[in-house]
Amino acid sequence: EPEVTQTPSHQVTQMGQEVILRCVPISNHLYFYWYRQILGQKVEFLVSFYNNEISEKSEIFDDQFSVERPDGSNFTLKIRSTKLEDSAMYFCASSDGTGGEKLFFGSGTQLSVL
Amino acid sequence: AQRVTQPEKLLSVFKGAPVELKCNYSYSGSPELFWYVQYSRQRLQLLLRHISRESIKGFTADLNKGETSFHLKKPFAQEEDSAMYYCALSGMVNTGKLIFGQGTTLQVKP
Repeated sequence: EPEVTQTPSHQVTQMGQEVILRCVPISNHLYFYWYRQILGQKVEFLVSFYNNEISEKSEIFDDQFSVERPDGSNFTLKIRSTKLEDSAMYFCASSDGTGGEKLFFGSGTQLSVL
Repeated sequence: AQRVTQPEKLLSVFKGAPVELKCNYSYSGSPELFWYVQYSRQRLQLLLRHISRESIKGFTADLNKGETSFHLKKPFAQEEDSAMYYCALSGMVNTGKLIFGQGTTLQVKP
């Protein structure tokens, strides 16, 4: 079965550094998403992306965050200047848009900001 | 405010016992409700959604608009049901914007 792939599985960075989290969505999917889960807290929506533009974003997704689909397969989340509170598990997801909210999630990238 | 509440962090039952994982929501319109599951060392995946009115792996969930609940039930728990279960709400169809509850860990003991 096709899967959403995320790299790296773990990322450690210093506060103030830029990080890029990478995702390869399922190939025929058109909708892409980022979610995050801070340890002990809920899974939170960050952003949705369709047709090469952001379709919706949450209050968390401020100017420090950006998303990009640089080519036909990758979908990236960039955090420009990381803060301690950005430490979380970041999940990428994709859907084909025909099955309601049937999202296919990646296994996540654990980001630790020191 | 849109909110999903799962009051139990942990639910522990014996194999063969009935299971009910509670979910309550707060939403002013007509939401879509979902249950997602995460088995150990696996990714988050959709278990079922209320619009399909389906039974998956013996689990069912009925949307009760009067009580604003979407509890997940199974009459006879199996050890392989042990996992983290998340209730989720979507206010707008096909946006992919899900609001998740805190999650309930279901532990099925032999």
